Amino acid sequence: DAGITQSPRYKITETGRQVTLMCHQTWSHSYMFWYRQDLGHGLRLIYYSAAADITDKGEVPDGYVVSRSKTENFPLTLESATRSQTSVYFCASSVGSQETQYFGPGTRLLVL
Amino acid sequence: AQSVTQLGSHVSVSEGALVLLRCNYSSSVPPYLFWYVQYPNQGLQLLLKYTSAATLVKGINGFEAEFKKSETSFHLTKPSAHMSDAAEYFCAVLYSSASKIIFGSGTRLSIRP
Repeated sequence: DAGITQSPRYKITETGRQVTLMCHQTWSHSYMFWYRQDLGHGLRLIYYSAAADITDKGEVPDGYVVSRSKTENFPLTLESATRSQTSVYFCASSVGSQETQYFGPGTRLLVL
Repeated sequence: AQSVTQLGSHVSVSEGALVLLRCNYSSSVPPYLFWYVQYPNQGLQLLLKYTSAATLVKGINGFEAEFKKSETSFHLTKPSAHMSDAAEYFCAVLYSSASKIIFGSGTRLSIRP
């Protein structure tokens, strides 16, 4: 009954370090999404996935890498973190591309 | 380009007053439309969704929204604001030709006692 979870909830890292944010959903939803939320920009799509092993870029993919080896997991990796990647990151999932998206609680990332 | 605009980044109303949050989308082709709410330190949750079945859509917590094709609008309303309605509200649009939802920049709703 966990739904969609994200870990860690809070992360502080330094510029240049690699960081991986985890997202796990228990509904077997086909679609999963990563967004970042910044003041004045609302939510911007980073990457999304239509199924295991199928991923595609969103609006702001630069500096991020995703993978989806299993339907339930959709990790987001910042290969070399920059200060501009300080943000709140939300993972979401949905049954289909035109269906309601269900959001995780978010991960607050601070890059020093 | 497909887009969604929320007028007013911050709206403040008195408890018991009408809530009106505005949303306009850019295309004349009726899309799927959503309103999400975000409470502090939480993720977004769906308030309501328009999928062309009815122009007036009722959601949770007494909110409703009306789809007006002629105005390309999908404004969110609630007759009487409650303190618990204080949150950030996002309008979102999904065009049938796409698989990605476009979110507006959000409107923060404050409720005055």
